[in-house]
Amino acid sequence: DAKTTQPPSMDCAEGRAANLPCNHSTISGNEYVYWYRQIHSQGPQYIIHGLKNNETNEMASLIITEDRKSSTLILPHATLRDTAVYYCIVRVPFSGGYNKLIFGAGTRLAVHP
Amino acid sequence: GAVVSQHPSWVICKSGTSVKIECRSLDFQATTMFWYRQFPKQSLMLMATSNEGSKATYEQGVEKDKFLINHASLTLSTLTVTSAHPEDSSFYICSALDRGGNSPLHFGNGTRLTVT
Repeated sequence: DAKTTQPPSMDCAEGRAANLPCNHSTISGNEYVYWYRQIHSQGPQYIIHGLKNNETNEMASLIITEDRKSSTLILPHATLRDTAVYYCIVRVPFSGGYNKLIFGAGTRLAVHP
Repeated sequence: GAVVSQHPSWVICKSGTSVKIECRSLDFQATTMFWYRQFPKQSLMLMATSNEGSKATYEQGVEKDKFLINHASLTLSTLTVTSAHPEDSSFYICSALDRGGNSPLHFGNGTRLTVT
């Protein structure tokens, strides 16, 4: 699976949009982009994923560039509860046999009042 | 949504004893489950992948005789830390795959293991 690069930390004011970037310049054509977050001492929480079209759900929006070499996760109105480590992961669709999901270092987002 | 339950949420054991951690998919059948370990201020490290009814596939550097994984049913996988030592103290997290393809993984809430 392709490697991703994220800034180690970001700050955001409460109520403002948080835009978290991710570079995945070696992504291949069948790899999806996934975003998870991990709040302290909890398991990761799935946020959103996409292949090439922009995606939106109740939690966030995912913007993927046309060349698919980077993406941005957008939390439209960040709250203090959004303080967490955000992980961007790319992987091929799971199939039978040996599959795995590898986590990078992620971005530590701090939302402040 | 898909729920993965992990038990216990925390455990303290003495050095040399064994500890079993359970991972259950509550509302779906998981043919594949994953076990991760996380040390403080670090990212999740994949330990092994288990497929129901077959032997687990361990990542390089993970001792299969120390970290025993059993995935005997479509809703339950267990990780047993055998002969635990203080350096095994960590946060262990399981995840389960609901369906194949591009469906996301669902994670348990982790087990904090402290070996004294």
